[in-house]
Amino acid sequence: NAGVMQNPRHLVRRRGQEARLRCSPMKGHSHVYWYRQLPEEGLKFMVYLQKENIIDESGMPKERFSAEFPKEGPSILRIQQVVRGDSAAYFCASSPTSYETQYFGPGTRLLVL
Amino acid sequence: DQQVKQNSPSLSVQEGRISILNCDYTNSMFDYFLWYKKYPAEGPTFLISISSIKDKNEDGRFTVFLNKSAKHLSLHIVPSQPGDSAVYFCAPTTSGTYKYIFGTGTRLKVLA
Repeated sequence: NAGVMQNPRHLVRRRGQEARLRCSPMKGHSHVYWYRQLPEEGLKFMVYLQKENIIDESGMPKERFSAEFPKEGPSILRIQQVVRGDSAAYFCASSPTSYETQYFGPGTRLLVL
Repeated sequence: DQQVKQNSPSLSVQEGRISILNCDYTNSMFDYFLWYKKYPAEGPTFLISISSIKDKNEDGRFTVFLNKSAKHLSLHIVPSQPGDSAVYFCAPTTSGTYKYIFGTGTRLKVLA
């Protein structure tokens, strides 16, 4: 049973470009969460999605960030017009229900030049 | 908003000895507490959890203790092994919700 998969593992973007981060949850999991970890900090909740629905995006910056989890395919975290402060590790987690343990993917390390 | 604090950024322990990692929290609504282990360039891996109705939960070499009145939990690893060298995060939450609040982590180094 494959775990949570994320790609790419590393992403380099120049300021102003767009970054797209993908997450495929574990088999049987329909709940997806995105977290961001800045250097020397803990993981911070960004958004919680179920298939085709954003349930809670209270941790997402108001501008430039968006997330989706379509009926088919992976969940995508999209960052438009990236800035240097967006450089971080972005982790996706999934769970079978919202109150069960979340299992994390390996993360995408975004570097903005 | 520092709801969760892991005041020791790093800890070194000899192989075979006990490792004790601490976590303090301020939010009295937290009633479910998880520990995750993270190796470099990997995602956090779930380790052990405890509900607020308990004060101790044990799984092999790992034991978590919860002191609700002090809003403090600790993770004990005994005996410590070199493969335990990683960053450990505590992540309290409120049961029935999905928002984990992660501490800043403690980097454990087990010396052979």
